Amino acid sequence: GAVVSQHPSWVICKSGTSVKIECRSLDFQATTMFWYRQFPKQSLMLMATSNEGSKATYEQGVEKDKFLINHASLTLSTLTVTSAHPEDSSFYICSARARTDGHEQYFGPGTRLTVT
Amino acid sequence: GENVEQHPSTLSVQEGDSAVIKCTYSDSASNYFPWYKQELGKRPQLIIDIRSNVGEKKDQRIAVTLNKTAKHFSLHITETQPEDSAVYFCAASIIQGAQKLVFGQGTRLTINP
Repeated sequence: GAVVSQHPSWVICKSGTSVKIECRSLDFQATTMFWYRQFPKQSLMLMATSNEGSKATYEQGVEKDKFLINHASLTLSTLTVTSAHPEDSSFYICSARARTDGHEQYFGPGTRLTVT
Repeated sequence: GENVEQHPSTLSVQEGDSAVIKCTYSDSASNYFPWYKQELGKRPQLIIDIRSNVGEKKDQRIAVTLNKTAKHFSLHITETQPEDSAVYFCAASIIQGAQKLVFGQGTRLTINP
């Protein structure tokens, strides 16, 4: 149980275009989903916290107009990187917290984004 | 906000020996401390966690200790095996709050056969 999927697993896009990444909890309802970014050989940095049916809360320094987050249901959150630039190239990982579980976060497999 | 410091950044041990990774945190309100193992290009996997009402927790070869007063916690891996080679991250959060995880910088552990 507690499986989280992400799609796509990797994507290459041209500079200036937008990319959407999906995060799904497959066998549980997630009240909260988190989006992280991880640059090579670095730690996971929280970008935003997303609660179903409400606006996402962004961490300091993360542009909410560039990284659009939608949490439309208890099993799906999406991250859209708008007007992508090469410096947005990174590993994006989501996690989900189960409705009935107090604290453990279940991580998705990540999405490798490369902007050319 | 919370700040988590982790060291060492790299650790190399002989197979069969023990490995210890240490983390310190800044927010005394933090009460949940998970440890993750991440292999290259993969998702972080929870290997053990501890809550602040417990001082030590063990699961087979892995143990975590917590010193609330000093605000530090450590991961201990005994009888290391080559498959233990990975990057390990500590994290801290507040269970009752937003439950945001703040990660340490990571430790690249290499087990030499």
